[in-house]
Amino acid sequence: DSGVTQTPKHLITATGQRVTLRCSPRSGDLSVYWYQQSLDQGLQFLIQYYNGEERAKGNILERFSAQQFPDLHSELNLSSLELGDSALYFCASSVLETGSQYFGPGTRLTVL
Amino acid sequence: TQLLEQSPQFLSIQEGENLTVYCNSSSVFSSLQWYRQEPGEGPVLLVTVVTGGEVKKLKRLTFQFGDARKDSSLHITAAQPGDTGLYLCADLNNNAGNMLTFGGGTRLMVKP
Repeated sequence: DSGVTQTPKHLITATGQRVTLRCSPRSGDLSVYWYQQSLDQGLQFLIQYYNGEERAKGNILERFSAQQFPDLHSELNLSSLELGDSALYFCASSVLETGSQYFGPGTRLTVL
Repeated sequence: TQLLEQSPQFLSIQEGENLTVYCNSSSVFSSLQWYRQEPGEGPVLLVTVVTGGEVKKLKRLTFQFGDARKDSSLHITAAQPGDTGLYLCADLNNNAGNMLTFGGGTRLMVKP
């Protein structure tokens, strides 16, 4: 158990819908990261927040957005969902802005 | 854009056999990390290597970092069924945030 929690574990929805994935980092960690893992693209970095501020952006679609709240939990919002958005979404956290990352168990999103 | 290639993609062996998997980068690694991911879980960090030529051991796992810091290998001695999983190499880049760039992974199955 990494100490990072993600909810929900599974999510099934339809094309065109909007969903919110939630992540609670390890106690004391200030950075939160979001990654997407799919069969064709592998594990890809989406975005990093540090103490509420966006720090780095990867291959995140404009339909996706994220934020980190004052209590340091983070949410990833996915809108206008397409079939190709079906994937595992992982959250990770680290103590500081840099350093080793600890991954949560992931949320499996299925878009039908 | 950095590309990480891992080989082989799939490996199925019997318990007790030795194996080596490889990771090659199109550019010099900032820091190289190896992860293991089991089904239904997030990646778990195994090791971080930074210096060219570095060798690290973790029980039956030996990690080597190439002198030019563009390639790495992971050798497992006397593989056990518990070693089954997806082995991922990644570049940890601190230049822009703290993003991880992952290779496609080697899926290892160790049969009893």
